[in-house]
Amino acid sequence: AQSVSQHNHHVILSEAASLELGCNYSYGGTVNLFWYVQYPGQHLQLLLKYFSGDPLVKGIKGFEAEFIKSKFSFNLRKPSVQWSDTAEYFCAVNVGYSSASKIIFGSGTRLSIRP
Amino acid sequence: AAGVIQSPRHLIKEKRETATLKCYPIPRHDTVYWYQQGPGQDPQFLISFYEKMQSDKGSIPDRFSAQQFSDYHSELNMSSLELGDSALYFCASSLTSATVNTEAFFGQGTRLTVV
Repeated sequence: AQSVSQHNHHVILSEAASLELGCNYSYGGTVNLFWYVQYPGQHLQLLLKYFSGDPLVKGIKGFEAEFIKSKFSFNLRKPSVQWSDTAEYFCAVNVGYSSASKIIFGSGTRLSIRP
Repeated sequence: AAGVIQSPRHLIKEKRETATLKCYPIPRHDTVYWYQQGPGQDPQFLISFYEKMQSDKGSIPDRFSAQQFSDYHSELNMSSLELGDSALYFCASSLTSATVNTEAFFGQGTRLTVV
């Protein structure tokens, strides 16, 4: 069964610091990869997604992620964080095409930004 | 643009009562997913529907049932509520086809509190 691992439970950074959140998945076939963000008290919003093509994907709010197939990784990065990036970040995966396969979420990383 | 609509947004029920949560997917989306997110937890997959048929099942208790109707809206029925059922319940929708995947769009959730 596919699973998603996020290495950092809670990350604390100062404004303007660079961010990298780790994500690894376990599945050997075709996968679709996502990063979702959940601001306090709000619903999940899509930051970026990878289906195929260029393994470096750019999302909203200056976020990007790199898909490295050999490492089963899809790490999220941002060169300079802002206080408004304080949120919970979830890596997610679903598998293949055609079937309405479920999306599996990682356990999440809480990002706290010091002003 | 139309989004996923969930109702109600907040619901307070007593133990052993029944609750019904509704989800209206984005127009033309054929797939609906239900997730449960406890306090400080990642979203846990409950169940999904594709073209009005159950397509996948996760950690959904036997006390819960769900269905997708002809207009593609979905309802999650929860009976014999327990304190531990208090959580945020998310619905998501996507368009599933044999050739391309799309991401899931999440509703704002229904916050269920069982007292």
